[in-house]
Amino acid sequence: QQQVKQSPQSLIVQKGGISIINCAYENTAFDYFPWYQQFPGKGPALLIAIRPDVSEKKEGRFTISFNKSAKQFSLHIMDSQPGDSATYFCAANINAGNMLTFGGGTRLMVKP
Amino acid sequence: DTAVSQTPKYLVTQMGNDKSIKCEQNLGHDTMYWYKQDSKKFLKIMFSYNNKELIINETVPNRFSPKSPDKAHLNLHINSLELGDSAVYFCASSQFSGETQYFGPGTRLLVL
Repeated sequence: QQQVKQSPQSLIVQKGGISIINCAYENTAFDYFPWYQQFPGKGPALLIAIRPDVSEKKEGRFTISFNKSAKQFSLHIMDSQPGDSATYFCAANINAGNMLTFGGGTRLMVKP
Repeated sequence: DTAVSQTPKYLVTQMGNDKSIKCEQNLGHDTMYWYKQDSKKFLKIMFSYNNKELIINETVPNRFSPKSPDKAHLNLHINSLELGDSAVYFCASSQFSGETQYFGPGTRLLVL
């Protein structure tokens, strides 16, 4: 049973375009939703995170949109750059510091 | 000055062998984790260990066992290795009440 579903599995975007990755969750007890970025041969690294008490969080070119009623959240990468090419994972957990449940990952390629 | 380190980086072994992967963190965190990433990039939590409490993902075979000699180390022991154990194993750490998990570079295990 996959508690966090992520789409699309892969995404190709032109440089300067907007990349959008979506996630949906089932467990309403989740209260922390991070996004991790993973480059080939490296471990995942935290990119940005949100709690359900806000609907949007922006950090630079990266924005999380959160829809609590729909149990969905998404990552938007504005002005996508070739250096953003990586695999992105959404995740969720109950109480920060506990075990994360990851989505299936999205492989993003930004073409120059 | 690596925050979370793992050894070895690569591990090739035969079915039926017993092997260990070491993890060390120098961040002063009190919670450590082991994750498994399969060939499709899917990340799954295996264990969470905080000082005295071990939380085990119930889907993990009991051939896998974490051992923590001290707060900065959480090693992973695997007995009777099987072909399906081939994957990348990531160690991570966080403060118990912290939100960010810091991942190591991964150990690529290949069972022949």
